[in-house]
Amino acid sequence: DAGVTQSPTHLIKTRGQQVTLRCSPKSGHDTVSWYQQALGQGPQFIFQYYEEEERQRGNFPDRFSGHQFPNYSSELNVNALLLGDSALYLCASSRGLAGGRRNEQFFGPGTRLTVL
Amino acid sequence: GENVEQHPSTLSVQEGDSAVIKCTYSDSASNYFPWYKQELGKRPQLIIDIRSNVGEKKDQRIAVTLNKTAKHFSLHITETQPEDSAVYFCAAFEWGYALNFGKGTSLLVTP
Repeated sequence: DAGVTQSPTHLIKTRGQQVTLRCSPKSGHDTVSWYQQALGQGPQFIFQYYEEEERQRGNFPDRFSGHQFPNYSSELNVNALLLGDSALYLCASSRGLAGGRRNEQFFGPGTRLTVL
Repeated sequence: GENVEQHPSTLSVQEGDSAVIKCTYSDSASNYFPWYKQELGKRPQLIIDIRSNVGEKKDQRIAVTLNKTAKHFSLHITETQPEDSAVYFCAAFEWGYALNFGKGTSLLVTP
């Protein structure tokens, strides 16, 4: 049973560029949440996708956008990159919309984004 | 929105001793409280969780307690081992929303 997978593992971009990160949820999961984890901090919620729609959103600007595909995989897009966007981007999958019987979220290995 | 405070930020214990990490939350609507362990360079791993209708849960050397009235919950690790060394995160979750994490506790278990 494959767990949550993410690609790429590492990425280096320059300010102003755009980036796309990818996530495949754990088998049997249909909900994907994205988090940003700055060095030495806890993960910060970006947004959550269920049934191909953004269901919840944290306090992140519109430069952060996403998408969910029919196979439940998801993408995170960040436009106009800033130095402060450098972080570990984690996706987590769960079964059902947040708040269902099973709230457990399982994290992927993350994508380390460095903005120069 | 939910605000989760976690203490201490660092904790050093001798192997075999107990470790306790405490968290408080602000939103009384939060109903699910997981704990994650994150080793250096790795993903957060769920180690134990508790729901708001339960006061205590135990899994071998790890236990979590929840006080809904005071809005705080704690992680207890007994008989600590060097492999318990990691960063531990608490989180609070409200139905229909997403996990709000504390800032983490760096636990060091020395032999």
